[in-house]
Amino acid sequence: QVQLQESGPGLVKPSETLSLTCAVSGYSISSGYYWGWIRQPPGKGLEWIGNIYHSGNTFYNPSLKSRVTISVDTSKTQFSLRLTPVTAADTAVYYCARYSNTWRADYWGQGTLVTVSS
Amino acid sequence: QSALTQPPSASGSPGQSVTISCTGTSSDVGGYNSVSWYQQHPGKAPKLMIYEVTKRPSGVPDRFSGSKSGNTASLTVSGLQAEDEADYYCSSYAGSNNLVFGGGTKLTVL
Repeated sequence: QVQLQESGPGLVKPSETLSLTCAVSGYSISSGYYWGWIRQPPGKGLEWIGNIYHSGNTFYNPSLKSRVTISVDTSKTQFSLRLTPVTAADTAVYYCARYSNTWRADYWGQGTLVTVSS
Repeated sequence: QSALTQPPSASGSPGQSVTISCTGTSSDVGGYNSVSWYQQHPGKAPKLMIYEVTKRPSGVPDRFSGSKSGNTASLTVSGLQAEDEADYYCSSYAGSNNLVFGGGTKLTVL
C-alpha cells in the first residue's frame, strides 16, 4: 500500500523559507510516477504547486514558479518542497501526492498546516 | 492559467442524482482527456473519484460517473447517500506541464 506523509515546521515567519518533506513508503520513487505538492488555504480550494519525476524533471505552477523548488532525495524515499520568500498568503494545508502521467493524483498524504506569521 | 469554474454548491435528496459541472477552455478541459474529480470530506485529504474523464479507480462506487462535452466536464452522483456529502474538485491538464483545479463544489445531501 502506497503511503505518503508530510513533515516540516508548522509556523514560518514572513519573508523566510517554507520547507516540507514527503516520506514515501510502499512504493519506490525510482520506479516511476510523478510526485507533487498541492496546497489548500483555510476554507478555500486546491492549488497545484508542482510535480517532480524520479529523474529530477520538475514542473511548476507558473504563478509560483519563481519561488518554488521541488527535489527528490538521493535515497529516493522522499521528496521535498521549498517555497521562498513566504507571505501570509502562503498559509495553507500542504499535501503531497503521487501523480500518474495522465495527471491524476491517486495517493495523497494527510496534509500539514503551515502558518506564515511573525 | 485560470481556475476551472465549478458551481459553489449543489444539493439533492437521498436516492436522487446530482450533476456537478466543471467549465474550462479549449486549452485545458476541452483540449485533453486528463480531467479528474476528487472528493474531500472536512479535515481530510482529497480522494480520487474519477480520472481520464470517465474512469473510476478501484473501490469507487459505480454511482459516481464522469463525462465531458466540449469545454465542460461533469461529475454525476446517482443514488445519493448521506456519505456523499463533501466538497468536490475537478482538475485538468492545461498543457505545457501545467495542472489547474476547479474552485470546488459543496455537495449537500438534504
